[in-house]
Amino acid sequence: AQRVTQPEKLLSVFKGAPVELKCNYSYSGSPELFWYVQYSRQRLQLLLRHISRESIKGFTADLNKGETSFHLKKPFAQEEDSAMYYCALSGDSFIDAGNKLTFGGGTRVLVKP
Amino acid sequence: NAGVTQTPKFRVLKTGQSMTLLCAQDMNHEYMYWYRQDPGMGLRLIHYSVGEGTTAKGEVPDGYNVSRLKKQNFLLGLESAAPSQTSVYFCASNPRQGRYEQYFGPGTRLTVT
Repeated sequence: AQRVTQPEKLLSVFKGAPVELKCNYSYSGSPELFWYVQYSRQRLQLLLRHISRESIKGFTADLNKGETSFHLKKPFAQEEDSAMYYCALSGDSFIDAGNKLTFGGGTRVLVKP
Repeated sequence: NAGVTQTPKFRVLKTGQSMTLLCAQDMNHEYMYWYRQDPGMGLRLIHYSVGEGTTAKGEVPDGYNVSRLKKQNFLLGLESAAPSQTSVYFCASNPRQGRYEQYFGPGTRLTVT
């Protein structure tokens, strides 16, 4: 069974400080990892995915297969980064039909001025 | 494009009542999903569909039924609501088989008293 764990429920940082959201997963095959973000009163939207290797809104995430982690990082947090962040895993599409996502419990980020 | 829409936005039910949540997408996506979002538990998949006329169970299907009579619509039914079904329900869609981004609706907040 696949599992995604986000150990921090709440991260509170000051504006300009670095922020790192932890995500660990368990999956026996070759997963794809995503970070989704939910701003206040808005729908979930994709922030980034490991396969694209992009930096979005200053955020980066590296897939570490040895440590089975996909931590999200930003060197200088901004107040507009305050939101709920979810790490999600999609299994091997040749094995696991349906493109189903398994989500972590979420981390609420609060950036203080 | 409206993307993914959900009806209603809010609903309060009494224990034992029934209701149907409607999800509609105008992106011609093949796959559609229903999730529930609960504090600390992230999003959990209830049911999903890989095409018109097909449905499958997700992680937490008990107490829910779904139908996908038209490609653009995915209905979630609660036959006899229970307080444990108090949650925020999200619908999502993605184009087809493969690791594509899921597009989410705005959510339906359901309270069962």
